[in-house]
Amino acid sequence: QSVLTQPPSASGTPGQRVTISCSGSNSNIGSEIVNWYQQLPGTAPKLLIYNNNQRPSGVPDRFSGSKSGNSASLAISGLQSEDEADYYCASWDDTLHGRLFGGGTKLTVL
Amino acid sequence: EVQLLESGGGLVQPGGSLRLSCDASGFTFNTYAMNWVRQAPGKGLEWVSGSSATSSDTYYADSVRGRFTISRDSSKNTLLLQMNSLRVEDTAVYYCAKGRGTSPWYALDYWGQGALVIVSS
Repeated sequence: QSVLTQPPSASGTPGQRVTISCSGSNSNIGSEIVNWYQQLPGTAPKLLIYNNNQRPSGVPDRFSGSKSGNSASLAISGLQSEDEADYYCASWDDTLHGRLFGGGTKLTVL
Repeated sequence: EVQLLESGGGLVQPGGSLRLSCDASGFTFNTYAMNWVRQAPGKGLEWVSGSSATSSDTYYADSVRGRFTISRDSSKNTLLLQMNSLRVEDTAVYYCAKGRGTSPWYALDYWGQGALVIVSS
């Protein structure tokens, strides 16, 4: 069981907006930055959001991140079929002195 | 172009050892933190270990501490992971990942394609 809690699945239809939550604690999300990764089937993970809400070059602005207290969220607007993937939140933990990943959320585009 | 190429994976018996390598190119290797992240078959991502840019600070997940050792060879732009006392539960694809900054807690902005490690008798 991951210390960062994500819903195991999410879904939406093309064009819809979906959000994926990530819940942690004071020692990780509450005091450290949150990053989000996208893993398409059969491929290596890709950085999607860093520093809570920043997009790397090349990531569409349909993807956005936010953080409040001990929780964070990833929002995807204008959902497209190619967004079907696993999404992971991640944060450093000051108590464990290590990086934590959420359990991952499998996004299905209906 | 940043490239990370892992090698050294394979089949090993429980209790055995294996050393993974990650050849890095396209960036100044000794100015960025590097990490290892693994993914067991059908499971999620698990961070394994991280090294600061200068190797002065190294960090490990509780599940591997005392068994795995991360190191860097800056002369060859190579990240290493020495894995000893391997267990069945260490079976996974191991990814090498570059940090955005000098410390291991920065986001991982480039990933290799992974090396498969299978621990089985």
